[in-house]
Amino acid sequence: ETGVTQTPRHLVMGMTNKKSLKCEQHLGHNAMYWYKQSAKKPLELMFVYNFKEQTENNSVPSRFSPECPNSSHLFLHLHTLQPEDSALYLCASSPGQGRNTEAFFGQGTRLTVV
Amino acid sequence: ILNVEQSPQSLHVQEGDSTNFTCSFPSSNFYALHWYRWETAKSPEALFVMTLNGDEKKKGRISATLNTKEGYSYLYIKGSQPEDSATYLCAFPFINTGTASKLTFGTGTRLQVTL
Repeated sequence: ETGVTQTPRHLVMGMTNKKSLKCEQHLGHNAMYWYKQSAKKPLELMFVYNFKEQTENNSVPSRFSPECPNSSHLFLHLHTLQPEDSALYLCASSPGQGRNTEAFFGQGTRLTVV
Repeated sequence: ILNVEQSPQSLHVQEGDSTNFTCSFPSSNFYALHWYRWETAKSPEALFVMTLNGDEKKKGRISATLNTKEGYSYLYIKGSQPEDSATYLCAFPFINTGTASKLTFGTGTRLQVTL
């Protein structure tokens, strides 16, 4: 148990659907992240939030829309996705600034777009 | 673009064998190097965060070394056990812009330990 919880664990959605991924952390961290892992590719950073403010958008298409209402919760809203968006989406949190602060990950949401 | 390379991609060893794998990263502008273990159906979990050239860290049977001048880190597992089976990831932080740490990950080394 890492203190970072993601729901749902698995999601199948059609290309015209709208769905949301949820992440919650109970660690008191200030920074939260969305990562994506596609097959045979490294973990890829998508978004960074620090103190609820988005500080990084790693050229992510607008069909992915993050939301961070407070430092403990992070959402990823999905709409009109493509089959190539099928991947494992991981949420992480960290105490905040600093290149030597480790990240704490959730177990991920396995997304399949049909 | 930061390139973080890991080798080998996969490794299959017998219980009791010792093993090691490599992470290569840009040697210029070094800040820190992270190692994570990712077991199937679980969350990636931090093993080590290394910051100093020549640093060596240990956690049980797992240890790691760091050479920032030549841009590599080794992860060693002594006397591998089946529970060590996992993907081992290394990650290199982007240049600190004053915001939260942002990590570039390697593709990982997938270790399988059999009886």
